[in-house]
Amino acid sequence: DGGITQSPKYLFRKEGQNVTLSCEQNLNHDAMYWYRQDPGQGLRLIYYSQIVNDFQKGDIAEGYSVSREKKESFPLTVTSAQKNPTAFYLCASSLTPLYGYTFGSGTRLTVV
Amino acid sequence: SQQGEEDPQALSIQEGENATMNCSYKTSINNLQWYRQNSGRGLVHLILIRSNEREKHSGRLRVTLDTSKKSSSLLITASRAADTASYFCATDAGNTGKLIFGQGTTLQVKP
Repeated sequence: DGGITQSPKYLFRKEGQNVTLSCEQNLNHDAMYWYRQDPGQGLRLIYYSQIVNDFQKGDIAEGYSVSREKKESFPLTVTSAQKNPTAFYLCASSLTPLYGYTFGSGTRLTVV
Repeated sequence: SQQGEEDPQALSIQEGENATMNCSYKTSINNLQWYRQNSGRGLVHLILIRSNEREKHSGRLRVTLDTSKKSSSLLITASRAADTASYFCATDAGNTGKLIFGQGTTLQVKP
């Protein structure tokens, strides 16, 4: 079955650590996106990529980094520069901007 | 930047009743989309309406779009307990391919 997989489901980070969230899709979608969701809030765009080896900052890119070396993969690194990383992170992909997004099931990141 | 704003923020109804959620946005759009999110899960795409469309149906869902008022509404007819979820509208930001999401409406359907 085609889909988009995020891992891990839960992640704990110590102060000062970098952590990487995985996002893989087998839908042959060109575009991929990372969103952050805080409790009771909407989604805010962190980074997006419309083609391999290219990506753009979203509205809240500070403290985050991404890579897009393969069409199927768009990992997100939460760096120690992100001062408030505790949130629910959602990855999505789309065939073109004119169609809907397919979302992964999310990674819940907690700072301990 | 949040483009879409949903209204109401929360809605509680009895099973069998209709639920209406509204979305307002600020800038011109190519399309507007509605998504559902069950608690702690990813979002699921429900329906997309293009800027040149005024109404669209999908099963028990009806979406309207008024570009002159920059607003959309989602109607769920004959609601079920399984419809309990948060519903988000999203608009595309020009030709960038980005979707901007609203804050969402939390719907509770009581059995």
